[in-house]
Amino acid sequence: TQLLEQSPQFLSIQEGENLTVYCNSSSVFSSLQWYRQEPGEGPVLLVTVVTGGEVKKLKRLTFQFGDARKDSSLHITAAQPGDTGLYLCAGPRNTDKLIFGTGTRLQVFP
Amino acid sequence: DAGVIQSPRHEVTEMGQEVTLRCKPISGHNSLFWYRQTMMRGLELLIYFNNNVPIDDSGMPEDRFSAKMPNASFSTLKIQPSEPRDSAVYFCASSFWGGEGGPKTQYFGPGTRLLVL
Repeated sequence: TQLLEQSPQFLSIQEGENLTVYCNSSSVFSSLQWYRQEPGEGPVLLVTVVTGGEVKKLKRLTFQFGDARKDSSLHITAAQPGDTGLYLCAGPRNTDKLIFGTGTRLQVFP
Repeated sequence: DAGVIQSPRHEVTEMGQEVTLRCKPISGHNSLFWYRQTMMRGLELLIYFNNNVPIDDSGMPEDRFSAKMPNASFSTLKIQPSEPRDSAVYFCASSFWGGEGGPKTQYFGPGTRLLVL
């Protein structure tokens, strides 16, 4: 059973466009993390959101944790080819074990 | 710091052969995780260790898979005998967990791309 569903699964856009990807669950999480995985590499942590309703910004990336702590979104403003990659949300399940979402594969064309 | 080190980076083997994947976590980290990533199933946790002790191996597919962590700086994931459906990218990740406060940042290695023919 996949606890974290991400949408869309695939996204291809032109440089300069804005986009939003979503991470949804029927379960409450104490926190959620977002990772980005570039081709041929392992995932790298972008941000951790902890409080319901929390918004965090990382340059052109804006992360929001839902009020009920069951969902999160990632908004990218003016996407660049360097943003290309697989975006994964992840939530804790027991101690320090993480459950990863299904992923959104983003391709930004110049 | 060199980050998490995995070897080999690529492995091609024939069905029935034994495969051993290796991982060196970041020095000072006390948790180590083995994941498998495929297009169909995404990133799945296979097993994780804390202070060299296996804590949760519920993700290990079957008895053909085994993992060990003989010391804080080395872990292996072994598949014997290997099957074509084991073809995937296997990641090792490490983190430091102080016992409370939930999961911390996991640092991933570059992965081992396994192809079983």
